[in-house]
Amino acid sequence: DTEVTQTPKHLVMGMTNKKSLKCEQHMGHRAMYWYKQKAKKPPELMFVYSYEKLSINESVPSRFSPECPNSSLLNLHLHALQPEDSALYLCASSQLAGGVKTQYFGPGTRLLVL
Amino acid sequence: AQSVTQPDIHITVSEGASLELRCNYSYGATPYLFWYVQSPGQGLQLLLKYFSGDTLVQGIKGFEAEFKRSQSSFNLRKPSVHWSDAAEYFCAVGELTGGGNKLTFGTGTQLKVEL
Repeated sequence: DTEVTQTPKHLVMGMTNKKSLKCEQHMGHRAMYWYKQKAKKPPELMFVYSYEKLSINESVPSRFSPECPNSSLLNLHLHALQPEDSALYLCASSQLAGGVKTQYFGPGTRLLVL
Repeated sequence: AQSVTQPDIHITVSEGASLELRCNYSYGATPYLFWYVQSPGQGLQLLLKYFSGDTLVQGIKGFEAEFKRSQSSFNLRKPSVHWSDAAEYFCAVGELTGGGNKLTFGTGTQLKVEL
């Protein structure tokens, strides 16, 4: 089973709202990732969690706040977003030890900021 | 830094025709290479990967790719395209950094299939 689930599928929020995106995997993977993908563009890495600790932050604005409560869950908390933050947000997971590993992606959350 | 180039932004093929999508990488050592497919509004699905060994890699849905070190290429092929193959295809190279695994994607190739 290589399934990564994400909720919600779609989200519309105002610039003053606070919302959260959720990602879950039960493959025993110890690395989890958040990507942002704008239309007609490749995914861009935002954050990497390794063993539930934030290991990579690609200079993402503080209005995006990741959280990894346990090895199966990854959240992305959103606050005071801008319309240009509208995008598809993808979660991925992978094994961690022993070199480069395959990342498995969820279906994404389509976010619209009004 | 690693980079991936997909020279073709759009490709149109007829159903039943063969397909080749190009991917060139820039990396000093042996690269870890991936092909992913993305249907509209969906996540990325892994088609195949190359880490080492046999340079001809078989994947899902009848796809294969060949790693050619001399040409720094990892082109994706399919002998007979089906209408359901219409999607965006991304080539990517993986690297292990101090913080973990990172994937660098190419800009993608949009495949259109004519019936």
